[in-house]
Amino acid sequence: NAGVTQTPKFRVLKTGQSMTLLCAQDMNHEYMYWYRQDPGMGLRLIHYSVGEGTTAKGEVPDGYNVSRLKKQNFLLGLESAAPSQTSVYFCASGGYFGPGTRLTVT
Amino acid sequence: RKEVEQDPGPFNVPEGATVAFNCTYSNSASQSFFWYRQDCRKEPKLLMSVYSSGNEDGRFTAQLNRASQYISLLIRDSKLSDSATYLCVVNRRSNTGKLIFGQGTTLQVKP
Repeated sequence: NAGVTQTPKFRVLKTGQSMTLLCAQDMNHEYMYWYRQDPGMGLRLIHYSVGEGTTAKGEVPDGYNVSRLKKQNFLLGLESAAPSQTSVYFCASGGYFGPGTRLTVT
Repeated sequence: RKEVEQDPGPFNVPEGATVAFNCTYSNSASQSFFWYRQDCRKEPKLLMSVYSSGNEDGRFTAQLNRASQYISLLIRDSKLSDSATYLCVVNRRSNTGKLIFGQGTTLQVKP
């Protein structure tokens, strides 16, 4: 039982590059979430999903897309990375968080 | 106005002290309430749920006042290891299930 896992743990992108962050959970949760955390800003909800095949926007969705094709996986995509997307990204499943992805966009 | 508000602190207390954190929420439709703990550069971890009747887990006591839309966390006999950021979390589990986080309150327990 791995709980919530995130890949990759670290990534450096150049402006304009794209990437996908993967979140996986083995707890059979319906609800999954993507947050970003910046210094002094707290956790801000990017997108979330209430079940397989469903997604919804959170409070800061611009510049991100998500997909939930399988119940256990929730993917976060950056189509054209910008320096403002430098942050720590946390995935949550139910009330449990993954270890985070530290992303730097130069 | 933020949906969940906390005093960011920091709260600096000596070992053994009792410290209390408060949190207010603006949406009266909120149904579930939690306290999370986050250590520096780590993921948030669930500390405890908060029930209307109040609940206790060792040195930690959480209380909810729905009428005032107010949540509290009391830590007794503070330990150095309690130093962390404490996040108040509200869930409007109507049809969205969104977890809404406060900005967090930083606690530093000193020897």
